[in-house]
Amino acid sequence: EPEVTQTPSHQVTQMGQEVILRCVPISNHLYFYWYRQILGQKVEFLVSFYNNEISEKSEIFDDQFSVERPDGSNFTLKIRSTKLEDSAMYFCASRRSFMNTEAFFGQGTRLTVV
Amino acid sequence: QQQVKQSPQSLIVQKGGISIINCAYENTAFDYFPWYQQFPGKGPALLIAIRPDVSEKKEGRFTISFNKSAKQFSLHIMDSQPGDSATYFCAASKFGAGANNLFFGTGTRLTVIP
Repeated sequence: EPEVTQTPSHQVTQMGQEVILRCVPISNHLYFYWYRQILGQKVEFLVSFYNNEISEKSEIFDDQFSVERPDGSNFTLKIRSTKLEDSAMYFCASRRSFMNTEAFFGQGTRLTVV
Repeated sequence: QQQVKQSPQSLIVQKGGISIINCAYENTAFDYFPWYQQFPGKGPALLIAIRPDVSEKKEGRFTISFNKSAKQFSLHIMDSQPGDSATYFCAASKFGAGANNLFFGTGTRLTVIP
């Protein structure tokens, strides 16, 4: 069964450093998302990406964040100058098409900023 | 602004019992209401979903009840099993609005006691 894969599974970084979280969406999917889940809290939408550009972004997704689909398969989330409060589980998700409602989530990357 | 409210925060049910989780939404433009199941260390996985043109949807032991006028929907797990122990998230989105990003509830940790 096709699945969304994320790497690394756990990333520890120093405050102020840049991190790149990587995702490989399901191959024939067209819509891509990043969500985050602070420990014990709800899953929050960050950004959606379609046709090589951002479709929507939440107020959380400020200038510190950026997304890219560099090679047609990977989908990355870059966090510049990480802060302690960026510590969370980051989930990538993908959806096949406009008419398909189901979003498939990866297993997540746990980011710990120290 | 909390677009989707979920209760209870935690739920303990005996094996064979019925688990009921409730959600309420604010945005009347929402027209897609999925429930996600999340096991520790895993990403959310779609369990069952409903569109507002029906008041109930059943898949095996899982049923969604939907009340459009009250802006509420609930998940019922019949004959609950220890393997159902997980965190359940309700969500909502505007399906026809392009990216279809999901707004999640705060989650319910279900424990089914053998």
